[in-house]
Amino acid sequence: AQSVTQPDIHITVSEGASLELRCNYSYGATPYLFWYVQSPGQGLQLLLKYFSGDTLVQGIKGFEAEFKRSQSSFNLRKPSVHWSDAAEYFCAVGAGEYGNKLVFGAGTILRVKS
Amino acid sequence: KAGVTQTPRYLIKTRGQQVTLSCSPISGHRSVSWYQQTPGQGLQFLFEYFSETQRNKGNFPGRFSGRQFSNSRSEMNVSTLELGDSALYLCASSTRTPETQYFGPGTRLLVL
Repeated sequence: AQSVTQPDIHITVSEGASLELRCNYSYGATPYLFWYVQSPGQGLQLLLKYFSGDTLVQGIKGFEAEFKRSQSSFNLRKPSVHWSDAAEYFCAVGAGEYGNKLVFGAGTILRVKS
Repeated sequence: KAGVTQTPRYLIKTRGQQVTLSCSPISGHRSVSWYQQTPGQGLQFLFEYFSETQRNKGNFPGRFSGRQFSNSRSEMNVSTLELGDSALYLCASSTRTPETQYFGPGTRLLVL
């Protein structure tokens, strides 16, 4: 069965520092991969996605992610974190016959220290 | 374009009651999916509709049902509510699949 693992439940970084959020997936075929962000009490906002092609994808708000098939990973990175980045981040894989059934990781809560 | 809208935003019900939640997708989007988010279980897929047909279903009991109308708007219904049904219910729409799903703000359901 498809699964997504986000090993870090909480991460705290200082404002201006770099960030890497880890994501590992289990999926038999070529995965459709997503990173979403959720602020408290809000829905999910798409940061970036990977379907095929270039394994380094750029997203909104200065985020990027790299797909590594050999490691079954899709880690999210940002070179310099802003206080407004504090939120919960979810990695997801598109599963099912049509790739539309999103299987989410447990999420990583990011806290930004000023 | 307007985003995905969900109504109502908040709802309080008592055990045994039933509830209907509504979702209006982004204009032109034909796929609508529903997810349940709880602190304990995280985000879980409920079902997906495309052109009024349910194409995918998650591992939820039959008390959870849904439908999609010809204008792509969707409703989900939960009958015989249990305390454990308290959750944030998120709706997402996309143009086709696989494709990016855009989420609404959710309906927060509290079952007392």
